[in-house]
Amino acid sequence: AQKITQTQPGMFVQEKEAVTLDCTYDTSDPSYGLFWYKQPSSGEMIFLIYQGSYDQQNATEGRYSLNFQKARKSANLVISASQLGDSAMYFCAMREGNTGGFKTIFGAGTRLFVKA
Amino acid sequence: DTAVSQTPKYLVTQMGNDKSIKCEQNLGHDTMYWYKQDSKKFLKIMFSYNNKELIINETVPNRFSPKSPDKAHLNLHINSLELGDSAVYFCASSPARATDTQYFGPGTRLTVL
Repeated sequence: AQKITQTQPGMFVQEKEAVTLDCTYDTSDPSYGLFWYKQPSSGEMIFLIYQGSYDQQNATEGRYSLNFQKARKSANLVISASQLGDSAMYFCAMREGNTGGFKTIFGAGTRLFVKA
Repeated sequence: DTAVSQTPKYLVTQMGNDKSIKCEQNLGHDTMYWYKQDSKKFLKIMFSYNNKELIINETVPNRFSPKSPDKAHLNLHINSLELGDSAVYFCASSPARATDTQYFGPGTRLTVL
């Protein structure tokens, strides 16, 4: 079963506008972490933002915020005031497990295109 | 002062050869990982080591053998390379808790001809 689902293979956004990248997850573990990574065309994986399953408030990091809706099992990434440099692949990931080993599972990614 | 480094960045080789990719982290993390990213950008975990001990071994052909000489290093050796092994391989590290962020190396693009 798919554990992390990103339903948008590609998204377009106008520069300076906000965009939401969708992510839903599936787990029965009460303790888990949700992450977003950015992969620009240069290939590196850049950590953007983290949300813990017990966190009461939505995570924010600069222009990035994570819209965490636990009951709906969604962890959407909101990028405000998009910039041309935001054009990249974005991956949602979930980390779960126990002391036997924590595993991070990645979604298929969403390619974001920012238009000038 | 690179946090997670990998060598080489690019690797082009013939089918049937044996090759290694090295990974080092200077973050003091307990856990290290190898991921494979295929041509469709799908990222999948291969192995995870915690304090030099193998803790996650996904269904990876046994031609792939990770080796962790110490907590800061996790190397990946691949025997008898096949065309389907062509991918980008990422090393990553993190502290040991489920809520800890993983930090990735720059990736190694392996091309098997």
